[in-house]
Amino acid sequence: QSALTQPASVSGSPGQSITISCTGTSSDVGGYNHVSWYQQHPGKAPKLMIYDVSNRPSGVSNRFSGSKSGNTASLTISGLQAEDEADYYCSSYTTSSTLVFGGGTKLTVL
Amino acid sequence: EVQLVESGGGLVQPGGSLRLSCAASGFTFSDHYMNWVRQAPGKGLEWVGRTRNKANSYTAEYAASVKGRFTISRDDSKNSLYLQMNSLKTEDTAVYYCACGYYYDSSGYYYWGQGTLVTVSS
Repeated sequence: QSALTQPASVSGSPGQSITISCTGTSSDVGGYNHVSWYQQHPGKAPKLMIYDVSNRPSGVSNRFSGSKSGNTASLTISGLQAEDEADYYCSSYTTSSTLVFGGGTKLTVL
Repeated sequence: EVQLVESGGGLVQPGGSLRLSCAASGFTFSDHYMNWVRQAPGKGLEWVGRTRNKANSYTAEYAASVKGRFTISRDDSKNSLYLQMNSLKTEDTAVYYCACGYYYDSSGYYYWGQGTLVTVSS
């Protein structure tokens, strides 16, 4: 199972919106609505930001939103803040009943 | 409060074995599917495997990179998850996290441990 494809890096200024893409195949992203997004700050465990494509866990800011079209899922962060600077990972359930992560995207807040 | 606490990491030679543990508290461990995720130094997250609950016969799945070398098990009486790692390779060097969802079978992992570092080196 190959890793999902994410851009290596994205950047934006405070207050702006950014979108991170996550491209898979019909065997993972395109085949299930079980795409999740994680935020990870250096030296910390990942934090779940979005599950099942577009659902936010309790306590996660509504500035974070998720969507999916075909084999590509997206995470959008609006009203960018300094504390959003982190690594972001997508994941998807697969036809093999396994899970696959994306390679990760480093978000820089300018 | 939900807590997942990994232990058992350390330095091991290539070809060696190591057993990691994850102690769970604050939720009904026996109901939940439990997972291992790893992260090599400076690299991204990699799913290692999952064990289901008793109702689903404790079946397990593994990533291709560890299948046949790693075994996930659990002891519901001790609220503990294990990862037996055999035939270790240098590329298995990583921080190993145990994780689970808010719901018993969620593929989005809401709860994570702090991780335990495994270093495979001669």
